[in-house]
Amino acid sequence: NAGVMQNPRHLVRRRGQEARLRCSPMKGHSHVYWYRQLPEEGLKFMVYLQKENIIDESGMPKERFSAEFPKEGPSILRIQQVVRGDSAAYFCATGTAMNTEAFFGQGTRLTVV
Amino acid sequence: TQLLEQSPQFLSIQEGENLTVYCNSSSVFSSLQWYRQEPGEGPVLLVTVVTGGEVKKLKRLTFQFGDARKDSSLHITAAQPGDTGLYLCAGPSGRPNAGKSTFGDGTTLTVKP
Repeated sequence: NAGVMQNPRHLVRRRGQEARLRCSPMKGHSHVYWYRQLPEEGLKFMVYLQKENIIDESGMPKERFSAEFPKEGPSILRIQQVVRGDSAAYFCATGTAMNTEAFFGQGTRLTVV
Repeated sequence: TQLLEQSPQFLSIQEGENLTVYCNSSSVFSSLQWYRQEPGEGPVLLVTVVTGGEVKKLKRLTFQFGDARKDSSLHITAAQPGDTGLYLCAGPSGRPNAGKSTFGDGTTLTVKP
């Protein structure tokens, strides 16, 4: 679990600002999954990426949210013009192949004020 | 849409007691995973069950996958305060090899010393 690095751990943004969440996969992992978790709820799938490709974005809101996983560097989840409803914990999980065990980072807790 | 329902939602017990939490679905899953999540942390994978009727033991934790692969249970013997956390079940969702998981909303377990 410690191998998947997310930063920042906590992020506070005012309404209308942009939030950028970063996820560095565990060494050797090329699959990244982003999930959102509201208080006392389970994780809700957002997007699945491989290097330079979005494989499945069926859980992403249609507007303001985007994700990328470039050839070099971490995966980025970007939220533009944040609203209070975006406040949540955002987790990424990484793995080596589809439908196998994925390992989670410690999450980024976004608070929109 | 494949849904996973977990029960109970909350469970508070004394140290030394036994407990069972459940994960149920109307859909068949090729595998199910159990995670434990502590406050402020990401989910940590405990076990994956793949065969109907399978039973796996991890120290004081016993995991069972239903014969029809629609449900699973987690039994903890002689619970300890260190077992406190959110227990989540998850299974692969969507089209085959979609690479994403559906999570239940979890059982929040509190073990009092």
